[in-house]
Amino acid sequence: AQTVTQSQPEMSVQEAETVTLSCTYDTSENNYYLFWYKQPPSRQMILVIRQEAYKQQNATENRFSVNFQKAAKSFSLKISDSQLGDTAMYFCAFGAIMYSGGGADGLTFGKGTHLIIQP
Amino acid sequence: AAGVIQSPRHLIKEKRETATLKCYPIPRHDTVYWYQQGPGQDPQFLISFYEKMQSDKGSIPDRFSAQQFSDYHSELNMSSLELGDSALYFCASSSEGGLNSYNEQFFGPGTRLTVL
Repeated sequence: AQTVTQSQPEMSVQEAETVTLSCTYDTSENNYYLFWYKQPPSRQMILVIRQEAYKQQNATENRFSVNFQKAAKSFSLKISDSQLGDTAMYFCAFGAIMYSGGGADGLTFGKGTHLIIQP
Repeated sequence: AAGVIQSPRHLIKEKRETATLKCYPIPRHDTVYWYQQGPGQDPQFLISFYEKMQSDKGSIPDRFSAQQFSDYHSELNMSSLELGDSALYFCASSSEGGLNSYNEQFFGPGTRLTVL
């Protein structure tokens, strides 16, 4: 079984600042995916960014980038030029890869970080 | 683009009643996942189906059951409801990624279940 830990229950930054959300995980799997999901007040789960464990290059999506340290089992999310619309809960999630094909494991989520962007 | 549809969006039940939640995946998606998110909690994986067969099982109580039908929609049946079952229930769907891959799970808007 895997565990995901987010040690920052809440963070608050000013608009346009850069913020980094931390995530660590524990697993015995060698191949897996890591995700950051955003959950705004509407409660919709929105995928922000994903990282394949076998890729050394860190994933980026516009203002969002990750720092993936596989040996340290660390997967942080950096949000640059933060905007008011970034205010939300952010969940780090782990997904194991199905080697046999045919479906996939459910995601394991961390407890989340409530990010508040102040005007 | 079509998204995952969940119905109903809101449901209020009394203790010990039963509830059925429905999920309609994105067209051509063959895998469905169910998650439960309690107030202030992270989503907890309950169960998943691939091609109408149970694929993975998480922390689903014995009082709950689910299935995927021939048209790929899925239903989560909950019996003997308890106050602690009050939560937001998400359904997600994906297409089967094949060996050594993990396709993105697209989440529905959720069904908010309140047990009184």
